[in-house]
Amino acid sequence: AQKVTQAQTEISVVEKEDVTLDCVYETRDTTYYLFWYKQPPSGELVFLIRRNSFDEQNEISGRYSWNFQKSTSSFNFTITASQVVDSAVYFCALSGSGTYKYIFGTGTRLKVLA
Amino acid sequence: NAGVTQTPKFQVLKTGQSMTLQCAQDMNHEYMSWYRQDPGMGLRLIHYSVGAGITDQGEVPNGYNVSRSTTEDFPLRLLSAAPSQTSVYFCASSWGGSTNYEQYFGPGTRLTVT
Repeated sequence: AQKVTQAQTEISVVEKEDVTLDCVYETRDTTYYLFWYKQPPSGELVFLIRRNSFDEQNEISGRYSWNFQKSTSSFNFTITASQVVDSAVYFCALSGSGTYKYIFGTGTRLKVLA
Repeated sequence: NAGVTQTPKFQVLKTGQSMTLQCAQDMNHEYMSWYRQDPGMGLRLIHYSVGAGITDQGEVPNGYNVSRSTTEDFPLRLLSAAPSQTSVYFCASSWGGSTNYEQYFGPGTRLTVT
């Protein structure tokens, strides 16, 4: 069975702090895909990143970075120098090749305080 | 490109009523899906489709029906609304007929069943 665990329900940080959102996944597939989405207070879901299981390179996009480690089945998301606009719920998701289903974690609510 | 559109944005139903949530995409995506979002539970898959004429059940299909007569449209029917179906509903689509790529989400429909 496939599963995504986001153990941090809510995190509060002060602006300019760095923050890491954890994502741990379970799958028996050798080929799979991992995703992060952002849901700001306005409610829409915005795609942030996609990673396949054969690409363990870390990725950086501006203040955002992602650390994919197959050895610990984790795909963590770090925001550097957080800003109030980063306040949102962040979802991690997993799909296995051929399953036709995306599995979402329960989300982490990030509050960045000015 | 309008992306993924959903109507209505808000809906109030009485128990036992039926209705259809509309979803359309103009990106020629083969894969489409419906989720419900409830507090603390993340996004749960209701039904999905890998192409016109092909649909299948997700994690929480009871009380919902879907059909996919065209690539663009994927309506979700509530057969006999119940208070447990009060939720926010999201439609999504992705390229190809699999889950290898990121999903694009509609703005959501907030449904209340009294």
